[in-house]
Amino acid sequence: AQSVTQPDIHITVSEGASLELRCNYSYGATPYLFWYVQSPGQGLQLLLKYFSGDTLVQGIKGFEAEFKRSQSSFNLRKPSVHWSDAAEYFCAVGAVNDYKLSFGAGTTVTVRA
Amino acid sequence: DTGVSQNPRHKITKRGQNVTFRCDPISEHNRLYWYRQTLGQGPEFLTYFQNEAQLEKSRLLSDRFSAERPKGSFSTLEIQRTEQGDSAMYLCASSLGDGRDTQYFGPGTRLTVL
Repeated sequence: AQSVTQPDIHITVSEGASLELRCNYSYGATPYLFWYVQSPGQGLQLLLKYFSGDTLVQGIKGFEAEFKRSQSSFNLRKPSVHWSDAAEYFCAVGAVNDYKLSFGAGTTVTVRA
Repeated sequence: DTGVSQNPRHKITKRGQNVTFRCDPISEHNRLYWYRQTLGQGPEFLTYFQNEAQLEKSRLLSDRFSAERPKGSFSTLEIQRTEQGDSAMYLCASSLGDGRDTQYFGPGTRLTVL
C-alpha cells in the first residue's frame, strides 16, 4: 500500500523568505505525485504534479517540486513567499492502476510580516 | 469549465438523522471520487466511480454510507443514522479518466453531527 509522510506539521516563514516543504512517499512502483494547497474552509487546489520525465516540475503561484527517486521524496519549494501563501499543503501519491490518492497529514504554513 | 461543485457547503444535523450531499463534477470528467477529511488530517479515500459504476469502496465506508452516480453525471453521498464520528469535511473530486489522471476537488461539504 502506498503512504505519504509530511514530517513537518507546522512551518513559520517570513514574507519574502524561501520555503521548502518535505514529502516522503512509500510505493512499490513508479508513483504519480501531487501537491495540493488548502485555504481554511476550502477544498484542495492543485499546485503541481509529477508523472514522469523531468524530475523538476513547475507549478502555479511560483511553486516547484523535485522528484528524487533515490530518496523517495517530492519536496515543494518556493523562492520567496507571499502572505497569501499561508495555507495548508498536502502531498499525495497515486499510480497508473490505483486511482485513489493517498495523502499526507499536511503541513500548515504561517507567513509572518 | 465551472469546476467541481458541492452542495450544501455546510450541514448541521442531530445524531441519528440521515443526510445527503451532492457533487457535480467537471463536465466530460468520467471519474468521480469521494474523500473524507477530519481535522488535522489529510483527505482519506472513500469511494470512486467510473461513469455510473462504483468501482471501489474503502473499508472506511460503513454500511451506513451509500453513494450513487446515476447516469454518470452528478453523484450523491448519503449517510444514514449519523454519528458524531461522522463529523468531517466531505470532499468530491473528478478527473478525465485518461492515462495521467489528475483529480480536481470541489470546495467540500462540512458536516457537523450534534
